[in-house]
Amino acid sequence: GAGVSQSPSNKVTEKGKDVELRCDPISGHTALYWYRQRLGQGLEFLIYFQGNSAPDKSGLPSDRFSAERTGESVSTLTIQRTQQEDSAVYLCASRGSYEQYFGPGTRLTVT
Amino acid sequence: AQSVTQPDIHITVSEGASLELRCNYSYGATPYLFWYVQSPGQGLQLLLKYFSGDTLVQGIKGFEAEFKRSQSSFNLRKPSVHWSDAAEYFCAVVNTGFQKLVFGTGTRLLVSP
Repeated sequence: GAGVSQSPSNKVTEKGKDVELRCDPISGHTALYWYRQRLGQGLEFLIYFQGNSAPDKSGLPSDRFSAERTGESVSTLTIQRTQQEDSAVYLCASRGSYEQYFGPGTRLTVT
Repeated sequence: AQSVTQPDIHITVSEGASLELRCNYSYGATPYLFWYVQSPGQGLQLLLKYFSGDTLVQGIKGFEAEFKRSQSSFNLRKPSVHWSDAAEYFCAVVNTGFQKLVFGTGTRLLVSP
């Protein structure tokens, strides 16, 4: 079946602009995660959605970052007033029971 | 808090040789452990997982890992490496409730001819 999809695959933006990244989870998966992967580094947890519960936003690095999810469907990660240090690959994952399944990521470059 | 250490940033192995990638974790209770692989430009693919039971777990692509509680380790092994195994490998631990994965910084595997 279809896996986790993310769009766009690549995004180049100018410093100070806002960007929206989209994640389509696997159908039926109740949990959805966003991670950030900076060049040469591991994955950094950003935010976690579980059903209709309040999201766990403990990993968001600043108030410029926000995310939304409608029900158990699509999620968008928004970065406002982008900075060069926001350049990274942003990975989305969804989970049904135990395992997280990852999308291919969005590579964000802030110039 | 949980943490994962992958002490090797890069490893180079000759094709056909055996491979062992190290992973040490810090977690108070029984850990749930994972190995993921990330090929260039791709997302992460689950290789194998350990929840309980047999401490030697088999995964996809001929990989296996052994959980050693006394050493707080979950090392990944493969008896004979193929060129297509060149990728970045991440070890991860999840908290009870499976809410958050904590990743190591990864080990980049290079395969030489």
